[in-house]
Amino acid sequence: SQTIHQWPATLVQPVGSPLSLECTVEGTSNPNLYWYRQAAGRGLQLLFYSVGIGQISSEVPQNLSASRPQDRQFILSSKKLLLSDSGFYLCAWSRGASRVGYTFGSGTRLTVV
Amino acid sequence: DQQVKQNSPSLSVQEGRISILNCDYTNSMFDYFLWYKKYPAEGPTFLISISSIKDKNEDGRFTVFLNKSAKHLSLHIVPSQPGDSAVYFCAASSSGTYKYIFGTGTRLKVLA
Repeated sequence: SQTIHQWPATLVQPVGSPLSLECTVEGTSNPNLYWYRQAAGRGLQLLFYSVGIGQISSEVPQNLSASRPQDRQFILSSKKLLLSDSGFYLCAWSRGASRVGYTFGSGTRLTVV
Repeated sequence: DQQVKQNSPSLSVQEGRISILNCDYTNSMFDYFLWYKKYPAEGPTFLISISSIKDKNEDGRFTVFLNKSAKHLSLHIVPSQPGDSAVYFCAASSSGTYKYIFGTGTRLKVLA
């Protein structure tokens, strides 16, 4: 069976510090991978998605970047965090252009102070 | 531009009664819709889906209705249980895309 791992669960970082959130998927190959953010009153906002190694699509301009160094690894990064980067970050995977939706990880609560 | 809207941020319902959560969309290309349920500090979990070729899909206590002409879908939970208390997101996609666009969520509270 497929599982998705996301860590850390919580993170408190000072403004201006770097960020690295990691997500890995097990039990499948060539998954589509996604980073979402849930900010207060904003629902789930798609940040990045990837359909293969090294292929990253950005949905909204922001202070963040994503990378996919391996087939089942997706990393969300920032060089310098802003207060507005606070939120709940969710990684998800799907099979291709799947109509059955995503399977989400357990999320990372990021607080920038 | 919010293509998927959930205009009610919160809803309270008595246990045993019906919960109705609503979702509106603006993109007529959307042809597949999902509902997700999310507990605090957890990732959303899939609840039920509906394709645009249908106007209703039922799974146990959960039924989703789709009104394409109104670009509106709703999730009915009958009977509501305290364990249903969570945030519910609707999501929509169009054929050939990888992306689901999510609404802002509705927080459901089922009162015992």
